[in-house]
Amino acid sequence: DTGVSQDPRHKITKRGQNVTFRCDPISEHNRLYWYRQTLGQGPEFLTYFQNEAQLEKSRLLSDRFSAERPKGSFSTLEIQRTEQGDSAMYLCASSLDVVEAFFGQGTRLTVV
Amino acid sequence: GQQVMQIPQYQHVQEGEDFTTYCNSSTTLSNIQWYKQRPGGHPVFLIQLVKSGEVKKQKRLTFQFGEAKKNSSLHITATQTTDVGTYFCAAWDPFRGAQKLVFGQGTRLTINP
Repeated sequence: DTGVSQDPRHKITKRGQNVTFRCDPISEHNRLYWYRQTLGQGPEFLTYFQNEAQLEKSRLLSDRFSAERPKGSFSTLEIQRTEQGDSAMYLCASSLDVVEAFFGQGTRLTVV
Repeated sequence: GQQVMQIPQYQHVQEGEDFTTYCNSSTTLSNIQWYKQRPGGHPVFLIQLVKSGEVKKQKRLTFQFGEAKKNSSLHITATQTTDVGTYFCAAWDPFRGAQKLVFGQGTRLTINP
């Protein structure tokens, strides 16, 4: 399967713990995006990478959130000191241009 | 930044009935995209429209982009149970030379067989 891959698919964590998610984009795609989606809502933009450069970060992203894309390949999204409000589906997408964005299956985070 | 609003939020139809969802923006859009998300799934690209007044068809789906490029619609003729899901419009929002994809809230379609 050469689509966007996300790991893990599900994560349950206790409040206050740190979590890290990984995204492997389609190999030739230089653009990578992280979104957060809660039930009944559309995906909310979190951050965007072009190659290894993080070009935009949403105001939704507090200081507890950090994302990296070393060498312009896979990306990680870390949430420190998780809160119950962080519970959501975290979606990664990649694209080659400003046409079609390809989404991964997402990581569902539950903070208990 | 750009915002796109979608209505209705929910739509329930009998199988065979038509369905339409609408997307509106207060600013002129350079393009509009439509995605479908099946229950438990992830958004999947359907189409992109870029020209004023553009109409595109995919089998029973008809996509329109308004003349002023501020609104768009997706119409499904004679719905089938496979059409169940949430339909999102989205637009690329230029920001300092970068681009981010901004989504509407979606219209959730359920179908009574």
